[in-house]
Amino acid sequence: DQQVKQNSPSLSVQEGRISILNCDYTNSMFDYFLWYKKYPAEGTTFLISISSIKDKNEDGRFTVFLNKSAKHLSLHIVPSQPGDSAVYFCAARGTYSGGSNYKLTFGKGTLLTVNP
Amino acid sequence: DGGITQSPKYLFRKEGQNVTLSCEQNLNHDAMYWYRQDPGQGLRLIYYSQIVNDFQKGDIAEGYSVSREKKESFPLTVTSAQKNPTAFYLCASSIGLAGVSEQFFGPGTRLTVL
Repeated sequence: DQQVKQNSPSLSVQEGRISILNCDYTNSMFDYFLWYKKYPAEGTTFLISISSIKDKNEDGRFTVFLNKSAKHLSLHIVPSQPGDSAVYFCAARGTYSGGSNYKLTFGKGTLLTVNP
Repeated sequence: DGGITQSPKYLFRKEGQNVTLSCEQNLNHDAMYWYRQDPGQGLRLIYYSQIVNDFQKGDIAEGYSVSREKKESFPLTVTSAQKNPTAFYLCASSIGLAGVSEQFFGPGTRLTVL
């Protein structure tokens, strides 16, 4: 049972346009959400995060929106640049071990290609 | 209860000293990871290991070293070469590395360099 879903394996947009990457989750106990990006042959780097008590977090060209009632979050990149081409992973934080530790559950990723 | 333990919870170190952070898991996971978290930032990967006696550098490996002599244990040494070692360190594990869907985290060690 996949608790974090990124239903679009790939997305292609033109340079300068908006990229919208979507993520759905099923566990209402998740309290923190993160986006990571991974370039080919490189490690995964943190991009932006949002706490479950907020509905929006902005950092430069990147904005994450959280809709808790719909259990949905999205990452907006405006304007998109060719250097943004990478795989983007959504991750959600929950607890285990009686609530004292936490774990991250990752989506399968969305490959974003920004065309010049 | 299966889980990951990290010790100590708080660690103080004098500048110029090496220090080793412990991470043990009894989840029978093959893959283990070390992350660093700084205020306002997400997790940054230091080192990871897919299997015993093998490990790979992550995004910020400089000034750190690891070993993986046992499946259950993945200690991290913060060396004097690490320019800014004060941070919160998290150890994690997962069943495998490829196609990871869940990572389980320990409670963390807060390292402060005096």
